[in-house]
Amino acid sequence: EPEVTQTPSHQVTQMGQEVILRCVPISNHLYFYWYRQILGQKVEFLVSFYNNEISEKSEIFDDQFSVERPDGSNFTLKIRSTKLEDSAMYFCASSPWTTLGNEQFFGPGTRLTVL
Amino acid sequence: DAKTTQPPSMDCAEGRAANLPCNHSTISGNEYVYWYRQIHSQGPQYIIHGLKNNETNEMASLIITEDRKSSTLILPHATLRDTAVYYCIVRVDFGNEKLTFGTGTRLTIIP
Repeated sequence: EPEVTQTPSHQVTQMGQEVILRCVPISNHLYFYWYRQILGQKVEFLVSFYNNEISEKSEIFDDQFSVERPDGSNFTLKIRSTKLEDSAMYFCASSPWTTLGNEQFFGPGTRLTVL
Repeated sequence: DAKTTQPPSMDCAEGRAANLPCNHSTISGNEYVYWYRQIHSQGPQYIIHGLKNNETNEMASLIITEDRKSSTLILPHATLRDTAVYYCIVRVDFGNEKLTFGTGTRLTIIP
């Protein structure tokens, strides 16, 4: 069964450093998303992406964040200058175009630790 | 903010049916009820969704009241692997509409 994959599974970085989180969505999906979950808190929407542009972004997704689909398979989230409060699990998700429903399929997540 | 209300926690004996309730009294006519679950710190997993009719798939059944203000997710024969946080989410079923997660129900299956 196809699945969303994410790399790395765990990233440790120093405050102020740039990080790139990588995702490979399911191959025939058209919509892509990033969510994050701070330890013990809710899963929060960050951004959605369709047709090579951002469709919607949350208040969390400020100028420090960017997303890119550099080729036909990868979908990346970049944090330019990490802060301590960026420590969280980051989940990538993708969904197909279908009239039967738009369920989102989530990857296993990347645990980002900012020191 | 999430537009659903769920009990924070529930227990269910292994092998029994787990019935998870959700209130969504402000649901709009074009909004669907979606259920996801999150096992430990893994990525959320889609379970089932519906508009107004009851739905069943290989994982669960979804019962939506006639006025659509509440629903119940039923796991017919709960196993230990069903221990997870279950999220009830209402959203329009269009394009790339985001999911807005609440705090969900922490379901613990008791051996």
